[in-house]
Amino acid sequence: GESVGLHLPTLSVQEGDNSIINCAYSNSASDYFIWYKQESGKGPQFIIDIRSNMDKRQGQRVTVLLNKTVKHLSLQIAATQPGDSAVYFCAVSGYSTLTFGKGTMLLVSP
Amino acid sequence: DAGITQSPRHKVTETGTPVTLRCHQTENHRYMYWYRQDPGHGLRLIHYSYGVKDTDKGEVSDGYSVSRSKTEDFLLTLESATSSQTSVYFCAISEAIRDRLNYGYTFGSGTRLTVV
Repeated sequence: GESVGLHLPTLSVQEGDNSIINCAYSNSASDYFIWYKQESGKGPQFIIDIRSNMDKRQGQRVTVLLNKTVKHLSLQIAATQPGDSAVYFCAVSGYSTLTFGKGTMLLVSP
Repeated sequence: DAGITQSPRHKVTETGTPVTLRCHQTENHRYMYWYRQDPGHGLRLIHYSYGVKDTDKGEVSDGYSVSRSKTEDFLLTLESATSSQTSVYFCAISEAIRDRLNYGYTFGSGTRLTVV
């Protein structure tokens, strides 16, 4: 089965910095990847996704990079704001279920 | 959360009692999921459903059963609750084509279950 790792429990940044959160996966057949944001007391919220036929996808202040060769993906947040403070999870799909990483807590200080 | 609700939001129950958590959706999605979230373990799949009366086990299904008699409702039952089942439970919905996800899950707000 799939495993999703490279767990950095906490990332602390200053407001305005760029943040990079990393994730690794094990199954080379995985073809769909998603980043979620979870604020305290809430369910995870979709941020951005990417399919295996792409290397990069950009959203508003967020970019996801996919390196299929080394089975690695990353989430980049530009100009990090205090409202970005949350736990971020990557999720990997082979079929109709998602396997989640353990999450990285992003702490943004003013 | 986008047409998905979980009930109850919080529950405290005693060891050995049965507990049922409910997930209700108004999106008419075929796929529904139950995950549990625990510190140090992240989100782990308990059971999921790919249609009415069609369910399958996830990685942590022992001690749990599910039922889906209608498209909109997916029930998770702990037949005899144990302290190890104290957790936050999330329901999620999605769609897939030929068993490949169209897009990511939409999650409910969660149920915090404490077994004492």
